[in-house]
Amino acid sequence: AQTVTQSQPEMSVQEAETVTLSCTYDTSESNYYLFWYKQPPSRQMILVIRQEAYKQQNATENRFSVNFQKAAKSFSLKISDSQLGDTAMYFCAFFSYSGNTPLVFGKGTRLSVIA
Amino acid sequence: DSGVTQTPKHLITATGQRVTLRCSPRSGDLSVYWYQQSLDQGLQFLIQYYNGEERAKGNILERFSAQQFPDLHSELNLSSLELGDSALYFCASSIAGVPTNEQYFGPGTRLTVT
Repeated sequence: AQTVTQSQPEMSVQEAETVTLSCTYDTSESNYYLFWYKQPPSRQMILVIRQEAYKQQNATENRFSVNFQKAAKSFSLKISDSQLGDTAMYFCAFFSYSGNTPLVFGKGTRLSVIA
Repeated sequence: DSGVTQTPKHLITATGQRVTLRCSPRSGDLSVYWYQQSLDQGLQFLIQYYNGEERAKGNILERFSAQQFPDLHSELNLSSLELGDSALYFCASSIAGVPTNEQYFGPGTRLTVT
């Protein structure tokens, strides 16, 4: 079964600085999708960024970018120019067509942006 | 606003009782997913429906059941409730039967079992 591991339960970063959240996953598949979701204090789950495994180019969305290392099964999220509104839980998630579960989520990393 | 609605927002009930959570997907989305998020836990997938049919099943207890109606709204029924069922229950929707693109999440229903 696929598993997703986020090894950093909590992190903090100063406003305007850069922070990287780690995610590793375990799969024997070659084609799959990876996601980062953000859950702010409002509890609303919001998609931050998405990566298709067959694409070598790392996905970017404004201040958010990923470092996708397929061989190492690593999918880290980099947040540049951190803002107070980035304070949230961040969940890494995995999907493959062969899995029984539509999305497998990691346990999350709680990020606090400090003024 | 994701376009996914969930009712009620909060629910407080006693052990042994039965509750129904309701979800309306975004307009045009055919898939509905149910997740359970316990305190300080990630999301646990419960069940997925696609266009009225059960598509995938996760770690859903036998005391829990769900269905998707012809108008595509979905209900999650939780019975014989236990204290451990207290959690945030999310519904999400997507246009396709597989979540290769974004799942749109509702605001969640906070269930407290006392």
